[in-house]
Amino acid sequence: RKEVEQDPGPFNVPEGATVAFNCTYSNSASQSFFWYRQDCRKEPKLLMSVYSSGNEDGRFTAQLNRASQYISLLIRDSKLSDSATYLCVVYRPFGNQFYFGTGTSLTVIP
Amino acid sequence: EAQVTQNPRYLITVTGKKLTVTCSQNMNHEYMSWYRQDPGLGLRQIYYSMNVEVTDKGDVPEGYKVSRKEKRNFPLILESPSPNQTSLYFCASSFFQGPRNTEAFFGQGTRLTVV
Repeated sequence: RKEVEQDPGPFNVPEGATVAFNCTYSNSASQSFFWYRQDCRKEPKLLMSVYSSGNEDGRFTAQLNRASQYISLLIRDSKLSDSATYLCVVYRPFGNQFYFGTGTSLTVIP
Repeated sequence: EAQVTQNPRYLITVTGKKLTVTCSQNMNHEYMSWYRQDPGLGLRQIYYSMNVEVTDKGDVPEGYKVSRKEKRNFPLILESPSPNQTSLYFCASSFFQGPRNTEAFFGQGTRLTVV
């Protein structure tokens, strides 16, 4: 079983739409959780951390459900510049291991 | 500027010709890793290092070597490259200061083609 599983998409949404991405992780010892954004052929960059209490950064809201081992990302009022691949990431300190999902592709259409 | 620098960015080589991809970070991070990214498989860890002279295998170490003689540098060595090592490679460095204070910083990637 994969450490992190995501729906690969692609998601094609119109500008202004709300879109939600989900992922699940298999190891309950995972300690930290993130969403990274990767533009085509470029390096991944941290979008936001994910906490059980939920956290919001502008149009982006991330949520963690430890009991279900489930992570979500909600993007409101989608912009063309949001088009990218979104990577769900979990972290375990032992071995400094980051585990990446395969990514969900988003294209925002004018 | 805080950054992770990889070189070269693009490389085409022939089977069996040894090559090294360099990685350097200027953030004084203890942890460094190498990943390869392939379509449908996502990012997979090749090797990681928790400090100078401390390295260990990740999920896909076969065919690769690393060394960590200095804190800032973590080169990836392919002693005898094969076509199945054609991939996009990323070096990353990170710190850990508690569950709410950790982040991986990536280099710009090296696109390797082995023919």
